[in-house]
Amino acid sequence: EAAVTQSPRNKVAVTGGKVTLSCNQTNNHNNMYWYRQDTGHGLRLIHYSYGAGSTEKGDIPDGYKASRPSQENFSLILELATPSQTSVYFCASGDGLGGNTQYFGPGTRLLVL
Amino acid sequence: GQQVQQSPSSLVLQEGENAELQCNFSSTATQLQWFYQSPGGSLVSLLSNPSGTKHTGRLTSTTVTKERRSSLHISSSQTTDSGTYLCAIVGGSNYKLTFGKGTLLTVTP
Repeated sequence: EAAVTQSPRNKVAVTGGKVTLSCNQTNNHNNMYWYRQDTGHGLRLIHYSYGAGSTEKGDIPDGYKASRPSQENFSLILELATPSQTSVYFCASGDGLGGNTQYFGPGTRLLVL
Repeated sequence: GQQVQQSPSSLVLQEGENAELQCNFSSTATQLQWFYQSPGGSLVSLLSNPSGTKHTGRLTSTTVTKERRSSLHISSSQTTDSGTYLCAIVGGSNYKLTFGKGTLLTVTP
């Protein structure tokens, strides 16, 4: 099974500050994804990537940027964090083949004060 | 956009009873995935089943593609099955998953 790790696991940030969430996967999957999970909304896709150098907007990209510098790493960047971005963020990877089963990281709990 | 509806939203069972969870979706799905999420935990992929019936352990998923519905059957439930079960679909060639809001299962001793 794919190994997906995230750092940090917990983060407290101040409003207006910059936050970077990192994701690493070791199974050489082409596709990577960032989701946020909120009570009442479920999981929503923020950004995704088809490979190194590519980033695509998901369903709720406003206020977020993404970076895919390598096959293994995919970052989510909050340039100016706001309290509405307080959430649990999940990274996932998938090979894009045969239906693209996705494998999820452990999540990052972000609190923006 | 694509929508995924799960029912029931919550379910309480006694240990040993069977559970039947439903997932309905608004558009054609090229992939359908069932996940388990423990309280405060991450998502674990249980089954990928875009059509037909699949079994793994005590889990059986049946997807009827043309009726846009899938079910997850858990036999002989255990207290350790407690958690949230999420259904997600891929509706096109961009491999994006759209999630339902989940069914919260509680299994009591």
